Amino acid sequence: DAKTTQPPSMDCAEGRAANLPCNHSTISGNEYVYWYRQIHSQGPQYIIHGLKNNETNEMASLIITEDRKSSTLILPHATLRDTAVYYCIVAGNMLTFGGGTRLMVKP
Amino acid sequence: SAVISQKPSRDICQRGTSLTIQCQVDSQVTMMFWYRQQPGQSLTLIATANQGSEATYESGFVIDKFPISRPNLTFSTLTVSNMSPEDSSIYLCSVRTVLNYGYTFGSGTRLTVV
Repeated sequence: DAKTTQPPSMDCAEGRAANLPCNHSTISGNEYVYWYRQIHSQGPQYIIHGLKNNETNEMASLIITEDRKSSTLILPHATLRDTAVYYCIVAGNMLTFGGGTRLMVKP
Repeated sequence: SAVISQKPSRDICQRGTSLTIQCQVDSQVTMMFWYRQQPGQSLTLIATANQGSEATYESGFVIDKFPISRPNLTFSTLTVSNMSPEDSSIYLCSVRTVLNYGYTFGSGTRLTVV
């Protein structure tokens, strides 16, 4: 599975959009981009995934570049409860976790 | 998405003993996985649990230390054998559903070895 690069930490003001970047330059054609988050000591929570088209659900939007070498997870109106570690994963048959981005939403 | 019941949620064990963790899913799933998360670290894949055959282990993990069973499409167990304090971690079960190709995680088992 391809590896990903994420900033180790980010801050975001409550109510503002949180944009979390991810680089995955070695992604192959059949690998999806997944985003999960982990709130302290809980199991990872699925957020969204996509192959090459942009995706949106009730939690977030996923923007994937045309060459698929990077993506951005957008939380449109961050709340304090969105404080978590966010993992970007590119996967075929299994999920391999990197270090993730620790997002701190501040009042 | 699938609902996972993982038991026990936490345990404190003596070194040298073994603990078996159970993962029960409410629907048939294609793939089941076991992860370890050491304190302050990301998740590391231990193995893929295969129905009716030996699990597929990742580098650094061996069957003698982490025997895994998967007797059917909805249930798997992970045993942590001959435990030492270094085995203190959160162990998580994950499944891949058929419908949307997403992965769901259990709430984890927090293991402390003393």
